[in-house]
Amino acid sequence: SQKIEQNSEALNIQEGKTATLTCNYTNYSPAYLQWYRQDPGRGPVFLLLIRENEKEKRKERLKVTFDTTLKQSLFHITASQPADSATYLCALDLGAGNMLTFGGGTRLMVKP
Amino acid sequence: GAVVSQHPSWVICKSGTSVKIECRSLDFQATTMFWYRQFPKQSLMLMATSNEGSKATYEQGVEKDKFLINHASLTLSTLTVTSAHPEDSSFYICSALGGGSAKNIQYFGAGTRLSVL
Repeated sequence: SQKIEQNSEALNIQEGKTATLTCNYTNYSPAYLQWYRQDPGRGPVFLLLIRENEKEKRKERLKVTFDTTLKQSLFHITASQPADSATYLCALDLGAGNMLTFGGGTRLMVKP
Repeated sequence: GAVVSQHPSWVICKSGTSVKIECRSLDFQATTMFWYRQFPKQSLMLMATSNEGSKATYEQGVEKDKFLINHASLTLSTLTVTSAHPEDSSFYICSALGGGSAKNIQYFGAGTRLSVL
């Protein structure tokens, strides 16, 4: 069965540093992968989408890479700020009807 | 743009009663909406896909007679939890699929916290 793994342990970093979150998947070849941010008690907010033929995508302080050989995506936040503290979810398309399968999320804590 | 409103944000009900949750796309039309369920410290689990004007498609293990979905217009989908029981207590989140260049992106509501006593 398809499996998406994100580090379940919280990632604690110092303000100003670069945060790197990992998303690994098995048994699937998604056409695209997405990253969402979720704050406690709120719905996820879309951040970035990267397609299988794209190696890297950037948006302001965010950068996403997609390695279809390793079956891995890395999500980077540069110059991190305490306001970046949240849970970050990766999601893969299931190839039908734009349905997504979500990873368990990684909680990021940026300390001032 | 691409705002999804979900209501109510929080509801407490007695066991055996039914609860309706609304999901509205405010500034765009959504042919497809999705309903998820999320338990504490866990990820989103897809319950069903809601398509305007047709019956919802439920994921394996989700009781369609218990979780009634209606997508009567391009801007509104509703989820009714019928005869709710304490084990139905959870965080329910809807999303609407964007159109055009955002056709692969899901825009989420703020979620509904359901507590069944």
